[in-house]
Amino acid sequence: GENVEQHPSTLSVQEGDSAVIKCTYSDSASNYFPWYKQELGKRPQLIIDIRSNVGEKKDQRIAVTLNKTAKHFSLHITETQPEDSAVYFCAARYSGYSTLTFGKGTMLLVSP
Amino acid sequence: EAGVAQSPRYKIIEKRQSVAFWCNPISGHATLYWYQQILGQGPKLLIQFQNNGVVDDSQLPKDRFSAERLKGVDSTLKIQPAKLEDSAVYLCASSSPRYPGYTFGSGTRLTVV
Repeated sequence: GENVEQHPSTLSVQEGDSAVIKCTYSDSASNYFPWYKQELGKRPQLIIDIRSNVGEKKDQRIAVTLNKTAKHFSLHITETQPEDSAVYFCAARYSGYSTLTFGKGTMLLVSP
Repeated sequence: EAGVAQSPRYKIIEKRQSVAFWCNPISGHATLYWYQQILGQGPKLLIQFQNNGVVDDSQLPKDRFSAERLKGVDSTLKIQPAKLEDSAVYLCASSSPRYPGYTFGSGTRLTVV
């Protein structure tokens, strides 16, 4: 089955800095890669996603890049704010299936 | 649209007791998932339903966990008997064929003592 590795496990930045979280996946047939944000005690919420036919996608301060050859994808957050502090999960979906396999998460801490 | 509803929000039980969780997905979402999220880890799939049929239960510990989705809408997940290592948040999610992203419920935080 699919395996997703996520790094780093924790990331501390100053407000206004950029943050990058990286994930790798094992199955080259995976075709959908979402990112979820989970605040303490709350449900994971989808913040951005990318399909395998696209190399990059942006939504205001967040962007996701995908390198299919290397089987890795990254989340980029620019101009970080304290409210960006949360745990971020990447996930991958194997083609033909709807199940998502999640990474272990990255705790992002943005200091004012 | 209404979100994915789960209950209860919290549950504390002693080991070897039984517990049940309930989930009501978004209306019209045929696919329903139960995930287990242990503290500090990513969600791990337990079972996937398509309407009222099981699509994937390969990671469900069937000696103690069971789940059903009668009439293809609501679903219940049961643990009997519970072990200490079952302490986790149990997340329900649903999705539709038109869009691959999940919508998660708020989860049930289970503590087994």
